[in-house]
Amino acid sequence: EVQLVQSGAEVKKSGESLKISCKTSGYSFTTYWIAWVRQMPGKGLEWMGIIYPGDSDIKYSPSFQGQVTISADTSIRTAYLQWSSLKASDTAIYYCARQGPVGAIGYWGQGTLVTVSS
Amino acid sequence: DIQMTQSPSPLSASVGDRVTITCRASQSVSRWLAWYQQKPGKAPNLLIYKASSLESGVPSRFSGSGSGTEFTLTISSLQPDDFATYYCQHYNSSSLTFGGGTKVELK
Repeated sequence: EVQLVQSGAEVKKSGESLKISCKTSGYSFTTYWIAWVRQMPGKGLEWMGIIYPGDSDIKYSPSFQGQVTISADTSIRTAYLQWSSLKASDTAIYYCARQGPVGAIGYWGQGTLVTVSS
Repeated sequence: DIQMTQSPSPLSASVGDRVTITCRASQSVSRWLAWYQQKPGKAPNLLIYKASSLESGVPSRFSGSGSGTEFTLTISSLQPDDFATYYCQHYNSSSLTFGGGTKVELK
């Protein structure tokens, strides 16, 4: 069974750094793209970037390029999303998700709520 | 960048209604289009991929059509469990762009 289990909710202050995780199981970690998706309170879904763990190829949405860093550790089948300096506007739920063979996202993590206070 | 625009939003409907949601792309995306359903507090759920292919386990009352720049998601007979927000998404080798969402609410 494919599973993506995300790290727990975080409460941070503006300017702090943060790294959230997405631990996967049930499939070949290195052969599927993993995406990160943001959902701000009461708003829609926004694609942030995707990573191919097999060769660490990463593509960022222009809206998030330079704002976040996506990475993966194949030894522990885990993908990461990190910020070096959080802003209050980063308050959102962040989902990791796995693309399927034809590109659509068939599996999602449960989401990580990040709350940033100013 | 390709932009995806959904309409209408919101959409007011009753149980049993035939419901159609439209998604338009700013340029041709061929048939690389998916539809998702999201309920409050939950992660999205894939309904349709490659414009018209029904994901395994999704009820057959859901269907998708279209190609190029215009796509539709149709629910043939709206059920109580279908009141949710629906998103289209274009995907290719370098991006995954979502539409703004269509909330289907009770009339």
